[in-house]
Amino acid sequence: AQKITQTQPGMFVQEKEAVTLDCTYDTSDQSYGLFWYKQPSSGEMIFLIYQGSYDEQNATEGRYSLNFQKARKSANLVISASQLGDSAMYFCAMREVDNYGQNFVFGPGTRLSVLP
Amino acid sequence: DTEVTQTPKHLVMGMTNKKSLKCEQHMGHRAMYWYKQKAKKPPELMFVYSYEKLSINESVPSRFSPECPNSSLLNLHLHALQPEDSALYLCASSQEGLYEQYFGPGTRLTVT
Repeated sequence: AQKITQTQPGMFVQEKEAVTLDCTYDTSDQSYGLFWYKQPSSGEMIFLIYQGSYDEQNATEGRYSLNFQKARKSANLVISASQLGDSAMYFCAMREVDNYGQNFVFGPGTRLSVLP
Repeated sequence: DTEVTQTPKHLVMGMTNKKSLKCEQHMGHRAMYWYKQKAKKPPELMFVYSYEKLSINESVPSRFSPECPNSSLLNLHLHALQPEDSALYLCASSQEGLYEQYFGPGTRLTVT
């Protein structure tokens, strides 16, 4: 069963506008971490933001914020004031606690295109 | 410093060749990972090393052989690969627990 769902294969946003990228997840663990990564065409995976399952406040990092709704198992990424350099693939990911704490799963990704 | 380095950036190899991919981090992380990523797909976990011991091997064919010589270095030895093994190979490292992984720039591998 897919643990991470990203329902938007592609998104367009006008430069300087805000955009929300959707992510829902499935876990029975109480303790887990949620992450967003950006992958430009160059291929490098860039860590953007982290939300722990016990964090009561939504995470923010500069123009990135994570809208965490635990009961709905959603962790949407909000990018404010989009820039042309934000055009990339965006992956939502989850890390669960197992014997090694190493289970790290990616969603299928959303391709964001920022229009001038 | 959150840098993970990978060499080479690009690699073209024949099906009978033996080659190695290298990864290095100096963040003091004790977990290191190899991922394979095909075009337009998310990364797929191949191997996890925790404290220099192989802890996860996601049913990867034996033509891929990982090695962790020390806590900063991770190698992936390649032998008798198939054209379908052509992909971007990403290395990552992290602290133990529910922490983010930091990725290297990847090696684009082409098997001819």
